[in-house]
Amino acid sequence: GAGVSQSPSNKVTEKGKDVELRCDPISGHTALYWYRQSLGQGLEFLIYFQGNSAPDKSGLPSDRFSAERTGGSVSTLTIQRTQQEDSAVYLCASSLSLPGWTGGSTDTQYFGPGTRLTVL
Amino acid sequence: RKEVEQDPGPFNVPEGATVAFNCTYSNSASQSFFWYRQDCRKEPKLLMSVYSSGNEDGRFTAQLNRASQYISLLIRDSKLSDSATYLCVVDNDYKLSFGAGTTVTVRA
Repeated sequence: GAGVSQSPSNKVTEKGKDVELRCDPISGHTALYWYRQSLGQGLEFLIYFQGNSAPDKSGLPSDRFSAERTGGSVSTLTIQRTQQEDSAVYLCASSLSLPGWTGGSTDTQYFGPGTRLTVL
Repeated sequence: RKEVEQDPGPFNVPEGATVAFNCTYSNSASQSFFWYRQDCRKEPKLLMSVYSSGNEDGRFTAQLNRASQYISLLIRDSKLSDSATYLCVVDNDYKLSFGAGTTVTVRA
């Protein structure tokens, strides 16, 4: 079946501009996550959505970052007034359930190919 | 202390060798454990979930030691295609925490 998709695959923008990144999770997955990965670094958690619950925004690095998930499916990550340090690969993942709920395979996260953001 | 810590490597091994590396985690309440692999400029992909005290999947064996809060991954009969960065992943308060990865390079 279809995996997680993200668009655009690459985005080059000028400092100070706003950008929107899109994620289409696997159909039926209630949990959706955003991460970012800077060159040579590990994954940094940004935000997750679970069903209709309020999202966990604890990883967002500043108030310039926000995310929405409409209709429990597609999600958009918005970065306002981009800065050069925002340059990274932004990865989206989805899973059937949140980690730790079952300790089993339903919390496995499947990743999209990412959006490579370059802020000039 | 980081939530998940890994030896960054790199581990450079010849084809056919066995390579093993560990990961430690800080949250004793964690229930879900995974190893992902990430190829250069690609997204992470699930290698294996780690259940109970550990499990085996072909040439890959993962072990979990809850008392000492570490997970290990062992690769037997390594192939050139095993060259990648291996990410240790642990659940932490309904989120997944990722280690920075261990780089393995298998040479011919």
